[in-house]
Amino acid sequence: KAGVTQTPRYLIKTRGQQVTLSCSPISGHRSVSWYQQTPGQGLQFLFEYFSETQRNKGNFPGRFSGRQFSNSRSEMNVSTLELGDSALYLCASSLGQGKETQYFGPGTRLLVL
Amino acid sequence: GEDVEQSLFLSVREGDSSVINCTYTDSSSTYLYWYKQEPGAGLQLLTYIFSNMDMKQDQRLTVLLNKKDKHLSLRIADTQTGDSAIYFCAEIGKGGDMRFGAGTRLTVKP
Repeated sequence: KAGVTQTPRYLIKTRGQQVTLSCSPISGHRSVSWYQQTPGQGLQFLFEYFSETQRNKGNFPGRFSGRQFSNSRSEMNVSTLELGDSALYLCASSLGQGKETQYFGPGTRLLVL
Repeated sequence: GEDVEQSLFLSVREGDSSVINCTYTDSSSTYLYWYKQEPGAGLQLLTYIFSNMDMKQDQRLTVLLNKKDKHLSLRIADTQTGDSAIYFCAEIGKGGDMRFGAGTRLTVKP
């Protein structure tokens, strides 16, 4: 089975712009979670989508949003980028049946200038 | 910030055993995990343990769980230079979100 894939792998944006990141889960997995990883804050949970609905949400501002499509692929959007949004954004997929193992993609490294 | 705590650094010699420790917070956590992250890469699931187990062994990896003290450890036997990475301990919280420690940077010296 193919693993979790994320595109693009690297991205450079300027302050005020917006960005969309994409995640394709492992085939058969219906849950996609997003995390932000920075040196200062570590790994922080953004949100989780299951069956096209946001099921859980972390403590991030409304500039961070996401969606999930009927094929379970998910996108994450960050609007009005700030310098502090520079991070590795990781997506993880799981079957979606509850508290279960998550499998991570390679991440998208975003640099905001 | 993290509710799961780990020491930040560990340095060992090649061939020695490494022990990475973690304390977690949610006594209702069903699963506890160890992930490995190499430079520039995502998180690779190494192993996990059910909360009703005390120990799990998987080749060179041994996970010990002390549920009373909410303490989890990962022992890597015969540590190799390829084991150099950051190791994250994680629990799934009450809300279903996964919470990670800050990560332990393991350096293996030849």
